[in-house]
Amino acid sequence: ETGVTQSPTHLIKTRGQQVTLRCSSQSGHNTVSWYQQALGQGPQFIFQYYREEENGRGNFPPRFSGLQFPNYSSELNVNALELDDSALYLCASSLGLPGDTQYFGPGTRLTVL
Amino acid sequence: QKEVEQNSGPLSVPEGAIASLNCTYSDRGSQSFFWYRQYSGKSPELIMFIYSNGDKEDGRFTAQLNKASQYVSLLIRDSQPSDSATYLCAVNPRNTGGFKTIFGAGTRLFVKA
Repeated sequence: ETGVTQSPTHLIKTRGQQVTLRCSSQSGHNTVSWYQQALGQGPQFIFQYYREEENGRGNFPPRFSGLQFPNYSSELNVNALELDDSALYLCASSLGLPGDTQYFGPGTRLTVL
Repeated sequence: QKEVEQNSGPLSVPEGAIASLNCTYSDRGSQSFFWYRQYSGKSPELIMFIYSNGDKEDGRFTAQLNKASQYVSLLIRDSQPSDSATYLCAVNPRNTGGFKTIFGAGTRLFVKA
């Protein structure tokens, strides 16, 4: 157990809808990163939040957005869902120094129909 | 050239043998290197991290880093059927400030009983 939790476990949405995924980081970890993992691929970096500010972003469109809260929880929001958004979404928390070890949550499996 | 490259496999080894997993990366300034294990349908779990050139051993696992060759490997001694999983190599490139973790696509390992 990493102490990182995510909800929901599974989610089914239709194209064009919006979704919010939630993550609770390990206590004391002020950095959270979100990843998208398509089937058969490695996790792809979406963005990272450090002390409630976005600290960097991968090659994802603006319809992917996030929030981090003072209580170590965070959200990933995806608007205008597309079929290709179907994936496992992972959050990972860390202490926040560059290169720090990240601890992953169990993930949310999103299916877009 | 991909930022982090791994052979997709599958790599098949008999029980008790040594499994050797390889990874190359493109950013010569990368400082932090990680190996994760991912069982089907689960999230990645950290096996080892390595920051300095040379070998780092932890139980049956040995990580090897050669920054000059931009190469990192993972050796699994006395492989067990429970080691069958996808192994993900991850790197923190310096050109992203060190906060962004880039994953390879993973190598699937099968350990035959």
